[in-house]
Amino acid sequence: DVKVTQSSRYLVKRTGEKVFLECVQDMDHENMFWYRQDPGLGLRLIYFSYDVKMKEKGDIPEGYSVSREKKERFSLILESASTNQTSMYLCASSSGQGARHYGYTFGSGTRLTVV
Amino acid sequence: DAKTTQPPSMDCAEGRAANLPCNHSTISGNEYVYWYRQIHSQGPQYIIHGLKNNETNEMASLIITEDRKSSTLILPHATLRDTAVYYCIVSSLIRLEVGKLIFGQGTELSVKP
Repeated sequence: DVKVTQSSRYLVKRTGEKVFLECVQDMDHENMFWYRQDPGLGLRLIYFSYDVKMKEKGDIPEGYSVSREKKERFSLILESASTNQTSMYLCASSSGQGARHYGYTFGSGTRLTVV
Repeated sequence: DAKTTQPPSMDCAEGRAANLPCNHSTISGNEYVYWYRQIHSQGPQYIIHGLKNNETNEMASLIITEDRKSSTLILPHATLRDTAVYYCIVSSLIRLEVGKLIFGQGTELSVKP
């Protein structure tokens, strides 16, 4: 019954590494989102995409990029990981205007630690 | 998005109804009330949403006051698996559709045997 799958639950990377976080949804949703969640800061939007090959910056895009080559897959890339990117990363999807009816479906999250 | 205020924590006995309040006195006419929950170390889960009418689904009921300045999420028969942080969010649909999902501090609900 898994609908949004994130490739890793826990990840440890070294400073300066290029990091790929993968997200796949099987609901044929148009919209996909990447957030990070930090204690005391809530959920912050990094990037979102409303169609294949389309992307929009969220509130904190610096240090990140994204790729959406297929409708079901939305990848978050940390170009050169830094310790301040240690966080819980959450992927979500919604169906076009479906957010107004069904909300977002989230993945289980990837807890990334950069050392 | 309108600011929301929730109690930081609540306890509930297993099998009893859990009533989680949320104040949103600055809500605008085009803003909806959404509820999500997050079980420890997992992604948030959508529960229910409404504009001004009361809503019910298989998970919960949402009661919105007539002036829309507050709402209550009701879990009719709480189980141990309902232990989670519950977030009340107020947002317009336009902002919601571009990912503007603002989570406040939420209410940590502990369901006890």
